[in-house]
Amino acid sequence: KAGVTQTPRYLIKTRGQQVTLSCSPISGHRSVSWYQQTPGQGLQFLFEYFSETQRNKGNFPGRFSGRQFSNSRSEMNVSTLELGDSALYLCASSPRTVLNTGELFFGEGSRLTVL
Amino acid sequence: DAKTTQPNSMESNEEEPVHLPCNHSTISGTDYIHWYRQLPSQGPEYVIHGLTSNVNNRMASLAIAEDRKSSTLILHRATLRDAAVYYCILRDVGRGRQLTFGSGTQLTVLP
Repeated sequence: KAGVTQTPRYLIKTRGQQVTLSCSPISGHRSVSWYQQTPGQGLQFLFEYFSETQRNKGNFPGRFSGRQFSNSRSEMNVSTLELGDSALYLCASSPRTVLNTGELFFGEGSRLTVL
Repeated sequence: DAKTTQPNSMESNEEEPVHLPCNHSTISGTDYIHWYRQLPSQGPEYVIHGLTSNVNNRMASLAIAEDRKSSTLILHRATLRDAAVYYCILRDVGRGRQLTFGSGTQLTVLP
């Protein structure tokens, strides 16, 4: 069974640009969450999508947005990039819907560098 | 969110058991205790979770104190591949699927 796939794995952008990251969840998983990991702040929750709807949102500015498609694939977008957006962006999928106690399956992440 | 407290780092010898502690004195009745680990250059990996009773799986055991204010992740025989950052996380079933990560414990396994 294929794991969570994130693309691209590495990318470099300059300040002011925008970026789109993609996540393909494990087949059959309908919930997708996004996290940002930086050395200073650690792992922080960005948002969660289920059935193409955002279910939860972390404490990030509106420059960070996402969406989920009918096949459960998800994208996140960061507009007007800042140096502080340099981070590892992780996607996680989950098979559970009503019962929230299950595990999350993480991808290997997309490492974004903003120059 | 209820907070967890873990030691910043721990060391263990290869093939010996490892006990990773976690304090969560403000845990609520609906909080599940989850453990994830993150190996270098990888995303976090689920290890185990529980509510009140001790739990075992192929990776580890989770021992939960009777008052639920603390828990211990037990790796029965540490290997070099177990070197990672281990996160103890409380997850409220009523608050969606997000995880609130702390700083975790960096486990070093010595050969």
